[in-house]
Amino acid sequence: AQSVTQLGSHVSVSEGALVLLRCNYSSSVPPYLFWYVQYPNQGLQLLLKYTSAATLVKGINGFEAEFKKSETSFHLTKPSAHMSDAAEYFCAVSLGSNFGNEKLTFGTGTRLTIIP
Amino acid sequence: DAGVTQSPTHLIKTRGQQVTLRCSPKSGHDTVSWYQQALGQGPQFIFQYYEEEERQRGNFPDRFSGHQFPNYSSELNVNALLLGDSALYLCASIQSGANVLTFGAGSRLTVL
Repeated sequence: AQSVTQLGSHVSVSEGALVLLRCNYSSSVPPYLFWYVQYPNQGLQLLLKYTSAATLVKGINGFEAEFKKSETSFHLTKPSAHMSDAAEYFCAVSLGSNFGNEKLTFGTGTRLTIIP
Repeated sequence: DAGVTQSPTHLIKTRGQQVTLRCSPKSGHDTVSWYQQALGQGPQFIFQYYEEEERQRGNFPDRFSGHQFPNYSSELNVNALLLGDSALYLCASIQSGANVLTFGAGSRLTVL
């Protein structure tokens, strides 16, 4: 079985500062890992994904994440926060070997607040 | 190209009633999954449909059932509604064998 832990249910950063959202995973097989963003009253939008290729993954809106197997982590970063980044962020894991047939397991989310 | 569309966007029901939520997958996608997102929580997998059959199921009671039609659209039915069923219900679609789910905006169900 797989699971995801997101450290910090709320994160606040100043506009222009580094954004770091933490995600640790547990999986019995090599995982696929995802970051999704959810704006108020909207569904989930994919930011980026790791599917066993390059360990540093670049996504939309300037976000990137690095897969570290030794630390079982997949933290999300952005060098300079923008007011429009304020949203809820979810890390998710899926069994990599048979994706498309497997469910996503989500973390509990991190609400990102940007301070002007 | 329309993405995943869900209806209705909002609805209010009372305890004991039944509800049907609908989902049209993204063009070219043949697999539909449903997730329940309670307030302040991450989405929880309910079940997945492929070729009009339930392929796998999460930890949800039999009150939750679904259907997939030949055009790949899907319905989620919940019987005997409980207060705890209040949530945002998300539909996601994918082409079988691909690795990225596309989510709809959800149907927000309030049970009074």
